[in-house]
Amino acid sequence: EVQLLESGGGLVQPGESLRLSCAVSGLTFSTHTMTWVRQAPGKGLEWVSGISAADGSTYYADSVKGRFTISRDNSKNMLYLEINSLRAEDTAIYYCRTQVTYWGQGALVTVSS
Amino acid sequence: DIQMTQSPSSLSASVGARVTITCRASQDIKNYLAWFQQKPGRAPKSLIHAASTLQSGVPSKFSGSQSGTDFTLTISNLQPEDSATYYCQQYNSYPHTFGQGTKLEIK
Repeated sequence: EVQLLESGGGLVQPGESLRLSCAVSGLTFSTHTMTWVRQAPGKGLEWVSGISAADGSTYYADSVKGRFTISRDNSKNMLYLEINSLRAEDTAIYYCRTQVTYWGQGALVTVSS
Repeated sequence: DIQMTQSPSSLSASVGARVTITCRASQDIKNYLAWFQQKPGRAPKSLIHAASTLQSGVPSKFSGSQSGTDFTLTISNLQPEDSATYYCQQYNSYPHTFGQGTKLEIK
């Protein structure tokens, strides 16, 4: 059974940083492009970032470019999202996902003073 | 960036009916189109990838089709459990944009 389990969410103040982690099991992690998708309260889905399996190339939505860093550790089957200079508009559930198939249960990030 | 225009934004249909949700891409995305279902308070679930390929375990009442840059999700024999919000997403080129979502209510 494929499982994606996010961790690292919580309540943070504006300007602070946070690292989300996603533990992946049940598939050959190193062969999968991985993504982060977020959903602000009451809003739709927003693709945030992706990292390729082939060469580790990274991609970002314009709304997070320069503040978010995606990375992966294939030896540990782990995906990460480093979020810096957090803003109120970053408040959302952050989902870890393979290219289009498997989703995690989400990690809530709340940015508030 | 590729824009995904999804319609309608909401719809209501009766048990047993069939509904169609459409996504139009602003440029060619080949068949790199996925459909997702999300119920309140739950993570999204993948239904279809490559425009028309059903994900494993997804019932055949869900189907996807393509005509150029127009993509369609059809749900047959609606049941109360199909009540959800449905999203399309293109994954042909970055950023992998989503449609705005369609909220389906079952009467």
